[in-house]
Amino acid sequence: DVKVTQSSRYLVKRTGEKVFLECVQDMDHENMFWYRQDPGLGLRLIYFSYDVKMKEKGDIPEGYSVSREKKERFSLILESASTNQTSMYLCASSFGWGSSYNEQFFGPGTRLTVL
Amino acid sequence: DAKTTQPPSMDCAEGRAANLPCNHSTISGNEYVYWYRQIHSQGPQYIIHGLKNNETNEMASLIITEDRKSSTLILPHATLRDTAVYYCIASLGGGADGLTFGKGTHLIIQP
Repeated sequence: DVKVTQSSRYLVKRTGEKVFLECVQDMDHENMFWYRQDPGLGLRLIYFSYDVKMKEKGDIPEGYSVSREKKERFSLILESASTNQTSMYLCASSFGWGSSYNEQFFGPGTRLTVL
Repeated sequence: DAKTTQPPSMDCAEGRAANLPCNHSTISGNEYVYWYRQIHSQGPQYIIHGLKNNETNEMASLIITEDRKSSTLILPHATLRDTAVYYCIASLGGGADGLTFGKGTHLIIQP
């Protein structure tokens, strides 16, 4: 079974702290994604990566950065956490260009609270 | 991604077939229809996808109209564990495409 794991299920941070959210997948997927999910707004794409060291902005990249140094690992970084970044963060992965469809496998999510 | 429209909520009796509709009238010829679901406090889970033909797997069936402007996800024998939010998404196949999740349909299976 494909497994996407995230470093924490729950996280509480202070305003201004630097926050790292880690995601690891074990299926050798080329593509990895970070979304955030908020009540009434659904899932929104923050960043994605289609290869090691490559990254692309999604719909809401402001206030976030990402890092992909290894194929299996994709990190989301909040340089200076703010209260409006309190949210559920979901990581996903999928096969790359050789695949004929876009099935994404999601991790369990990290619920981040910024105080 | 083409916009999709789903009813906000539906009820279904346990053991019955749950039929979840989705409208995607602006879908382009090379966009697939995907269905995901999200059980409370978990990440979304892929269910099924299709392009033109009807599809079936161990979880569900997908019926796509001939003009591709709408589709129906069918859970043949709904159980309480099928209570979840179901998302219908129109998206291109392959590549690094983020998925556009709308608000979905909250399906509640009644005992």
